[in-house]
Amino acid sequence: KQEVTQIPAALSVPEGENLVLNCSFTDSAIYNLQWFRQDPGKGLTSLLLIQSSQREQTSGRLNASLDKSSGRSTLYIAASQPGDSATYLCAVIRAGTASKLTFGTGTRLQVTL
Amino acid sequence: EPEVTQTPSHQVTQMGQEVILRCVPISNHLYFYWYRQILGQKVEFLVSFYNNEISEKSEIFDDQFSVERPDGSNFTLKIRSTKLEDSAMYFCASSRAGGLNTGELFFGEGSRLTVL
Repeated sequence: KQEVTQIPAALSVPEGENLVLNCSFTDSAIYNLQWFRQDPGKGLTSLLLIQSSQREQTSGRLNASLDKSSGRSTLYIAASQPGDSATYLCAVIRAGTASKLTFGTGTRLQVTL
Repeated sequence: EPEVTQTPSHQVTQMGQEVILRCVPISNHLYFYWYRQILGQKVEFLVSFYNNEISEKSEIFDDQFSVERPDGSNFTLKIRSTKLEDSAMYFCASSRAGGLNTGELFFGEGSRLTVL
């Protein structure tokens, strides 16, 4: 059974700092890994998708890396802004499933002025 | 930009009542999903749907739940007889492809279900 863990559970940083969020998964046989952002009481916004054959993806100030063999992914946020405050979720699709995403518990990020 | 839309945004119902949650997936997507998130807990998979059939379902998705694509645009989740523990945010999602070729899943804003 695939388990996805995210650390830290919560993080508070001053504006302008670079930060790293961590995601680990127990079964390395995955099709892909997706990072999402969730604002309180809202839906999930897709940030980045990394296919199993890829090592990293970049979008603006966000960079996600994937080390499938060790079951780890990181989301790097450069020059954080107060608008980045949200919960960040990672999710994986285990190989052999019909696109079922298994989610982590998320990291709640607060960027202070 | 195309998006997944869900209605209603919030529904309050009495225990034992039937509820239908509605979703309009992105128009050129072929795979459709329902997920739920109980307050303070992880987002959990309920069911995936492709080619008018359920392709996978979780142990949560028991006989009280059903899904349907009644026309070319809507995708619905029905809960036949709601229980208190069904209170959650229900998310609809869609993707262009599935399995090994699954790309991004796009999620709607959610329907909050409160069972009293």
